Amino acid sequence: EVQLVESGGGLVQPGASLKLSCVASGFTFSDYWMSWVRQTPGKTMEWIGDIKYDGSYTNYAPSLKNRFTISRDNAKSTLYLQMSNVRSEDTATYYCTRARGAYWGQGVMVTVSS
Amino acid sequence: DIQMTQSPSSMSASLGDRVTITCRASQDIGNYLSWFQQKPGKSPRRMIYGATNLAAGVPSRFSGSRSGSDYSLTISSLESEDMAIYYCLQSIQYPYTFGAGTKLELK
Repeated sequence: EVQLVESGGGLVQPGASLKLSCVASGFTFSDYWMSWVRQTPGKTMEWIGDIKYDGSYTNYAPSLKNRFTISRDNAKSTLYLQMSNVRSEDTATYYCTRARGAYWGQGVMVTVSS
Repeated sequence: DIQMTQSPSSMSASLGDRVTITCRASQDIGNYLSWFQQKPGKSPRRMIYGATNLAAGVPSRFSGSRSGSDYSLTISSLESEDMAIYYCLQSIQYPYTFGAGTKLELK
């Protein structure tokens, strides 16, 4: 059974940094592109970016490219999202997904507030 | 960016109704279109991929179709468990983009 389990969310102050993790199981992690998607409190879905199966290539939403970094550790079957200089508009539930959304994690909430 | 215009934003329907939700793409996306269902408090679930392919485990009352730049998700006979928000996603060109969602409620 494919499982994706995110962690690392919480309350963070504006301007701070935060790193989310997603541990994968039930499939060969190193065979798949992986993505991050977020959903705002108003239910808007936004694709953040993705990373090639070997970690050699990443793509980002242009509005997030300068602040967000996606990486992976295939030995640990773990996907990461490094968020820097966070803003109130980054408040959302963050999901990791396999490839183009075939499977989703349970999501992790990030709240940016002072 | 490719814009995905989804309609309606919300709708109410009765059990047994045939329901259709549509996304229009601002550029050619071929068949790189997926549909997702999200129930309250749950993660999205992929229902349709490649515009017309039913994802594993999805009931056969769900179907996807394409007419030009218009993509549709149809539920042939609405059941109570289908109440959810539905989203489309284009994945032919970066950045991938979602429709705004359709909230489906019981009349």
